[in-house]
Amino acid sequence: NAGVTQTPKFQVLKTGQSMTLQCAQDMNHNSMYWYRQDPGMGLRLIYYSASEGTTDKGEVPNGYNVSRLNKREFSLRLESAAPSQTSVYFCASSDPLGTYYEKLFFGSGTQLSVL
Amino acid sequence: GENVEQHPSTLSVQEGDSAVIKCTYSDSASNYFPWYKQELGKRPQLIIDIRSNVGEKKDQRIAVTLNKTAKHFSLHITETQPEDSAVYFCAAAAKAAGNKLTFGGGTRVLVKP
Repeated sequence: NAGVTQTPKFQVLKTGQSMTLQCAQDMNHNSMYWYRQDPGMGLRLIYYSASEGTTDKGEVPNGYNVSRLNKREFSLRLESAAPSQTSVYFCASSDPLGTYYEKLFFGSGTQLSVL
Repeated sequence: GENVEQHPSTLSVQEGDSAVIKCTYSDSASNYFPWYKQELGKRPQLIIDIRSNVGEKKDQRIAVTLNKTAKHFSLHITETQPEDSAVYFCAAAAKAAGNKLTFGGGTRVLVKP
């Protein structure tokens, strides 16, 4: 049971390049998320998917697209990278704790630098 | 939408002392308040949470308190140890917002031996 696996761990891009961050979970969770982590700003939600076939915008969706390929996989794409997208990206999936609350399981993160 | 403020941003304590981190939230409909711990270079992990129908919750050396009237909640770590050194994030969620978590900015805690 690997949990949440995301690749790559590190990436350097030039402004204008594109890339896709991959994420997969083996816990049979319905919900998956993409966050970015910047110093002093906590974890900000980019996009999420409540179930296979659905995706919704979070707090900071501009410049990103996502695909929920199947129940296990949720990818994040940067079409034209900008220096402002330099950040650490975390994928997460969630396990319902009860009627309304969900515990997040995070991947190990991707450190992205855009030059 | 929800806004979560977290203070302090950094906290240095002597081993064995207590550490307290405070968070305030803006949405009175928020009803779930988890805390995540992120060790250096690692992924965030849930360490404790509290729901709006409870005022305090303890788990060994950590405790959370919630004041719904004032819209703030706190994390208390007693008898701090070097392994408590990490970044701690508070968060809040409301059913009306689809239960999506809004995180505070994080507190870097350093426990000095």
